[in-house]
Amino acid sequence: DIQMTQSPSTLSASVGDRVTITCRASQSISSWLAWYQQKPGKAPKLLIYKASSLESGVPSRFSGSGSGTEFTLTISSLQPDDFATYYCQQYNSYLWTFGQGTKVEIK
Amino acid sequence: QLQLQESGSGLVKPSQTLSLTCAVSGGSISSGGYSWSWIRQPPGKGLEWIGYIYHSGSTYYNPSLKSRVTISVDRSKNQFSLKLSSVTAADTAVYYCARVNWNYRGAFDIWGQGTMVTVSS
Repeated sequence: DIQMTQSPSTLSASVGDRVTITCRASQSISSWLAWYQQKPGKAPKLLIYKASSLESGVPSRFSGSGSGTEFTLTISSLQPDDFATYYCQQYNSYLWTFGQGTKVEIK
Repeated sequence: QLQLQESGSGLVKPSQTLSLTCAVSGGSISSGGYSWSWIRQPPGKGLEWIGYIYHSGSTYYNPSLKSRVTISVDRSKNQFSLKLSSVTAADTAVYYCARVNWNYRGAFDIWGQGTMVTVSS
């Protein structure tokens, strides 16, 4: 099975900061990677698919990059609404795996 | 706009079977380019994929749960279901149903609101 390792687990940042979250796959997954945002008590929301494609309606301050085994989610200028937990997710051969999550907290 | 809604028992006794249904509205469960999944999240923890079904009935399951999981589809009712047998306290979680978008390379683009299931006697 493919394992996904996210870092950091927790990130403290201020409004306006540039934030980067990393996700590493235990083997190559090409660009079969997505990123989600989850707020307490809510279902996850898709932000990025195919590693770098922005879901409709998602602010352009969110961006994704990478291929193979290393991927990043970047928030160019952190906004108050962005404090949440973020998950990466991979797909390979009818198996899906999530990263353990990164909680973005107010500094 | 397509929506998903989970329903089922919120309290299940240990060793019994958890049963949930996901109703699909605003679109057909048989639409091309899409499939369906169940995902769960224990309190305070991360997301765990449970299994997948295509509208034809083809299924794939998380190897760690495979022996206890059955996912089925009812195209006439536009819904799919999850059964998890021999539950323990470790199965206590919020259970989500979600749509798999193959145009998005397997991303889950639409989610239900989730339903909390507690395993307790």
